[in-house]
Amino acid sequence: EAQVTQNPRYLITVTGKKLTVTCSQNMNHEYMSWYRQDPGLGLRQIYYSMNVEVTDKGDVPEGYKVSRKEKRNFPLILESPSPNQTSLYFCASSFLAGGRFTDTQYFGPGTRLTVL
Amino acid sequence: DQQVKQNSPSLSVQEGRISILNCDYTNSMFDYFLWYKKYPAEGPTFLISISSIKDKNEDGRFTVFLNKSAKHLSLHIVPSQPGDSAVYFCAASARNDMRFGAGTRLTVKP
Repeated sequence: EAQVTQNPRYLITVTGKKLTVTCSQNMNHEYMSWYRQDPGLGLRQIYYSMNVEVTDKGDVPEGYKVSRKEKRNFPLILESPSPNQTSLYFCASSFLAGGRFTDTQYFGPGTRLTVL
Repeated sequence: DQQVKQNSPSLSVQEGRISILNCDYTNSMFDYFLWYKKYPAEGPTFLISISSIKDKNEDGRFTVFLNKSAKHLSLHIVPSQPGDSAVYFCAASARNDMRFGAGTRLTVKP
């Protein structure tokens, strides 16, 4: 089954304690991306990656890091989480066509993060 | 600075009638526009898209209209069904970044 998986699905942590949210896809997609969803703001893109070792900043990259060492994985790293990073996070992936992501961007189920 | 705006947080329509969801954008560099649908506790799912070289794209009950001069797009759902009840996000892209609107919660009443 084609899918994007995220772990953990729920996480409560404290300010300053480093954490990693994993994202994995089994569709051999080149393009992967992280978003956060906040009430009244919709989804905002954090980082995206066009392929292994290629990452770019999205709309709200501050306070986040990513890596793309393997095609299937795209972890999101919060080195020193703060309460304003409390949010619902989504990972997504798609094929590239002509250098652009394609319509069928598959989203993971989401990770709800609370930073106290 | 929100470059993609959905000014109606919610919309309620009767089953069988038309649903019209609106979206405005400010960045003239956007050349690709998408609509996503989201149910609670799930990730968004792609619904329909349109390139800036077109003004209309249709897929079954869903039609997206693009008015570039007004920097406005709309999603029409005809006829609306109770299963269409969800949050709808408009999104725009210039290259491979994506900007989303805040979403519109559509409720279709039986």
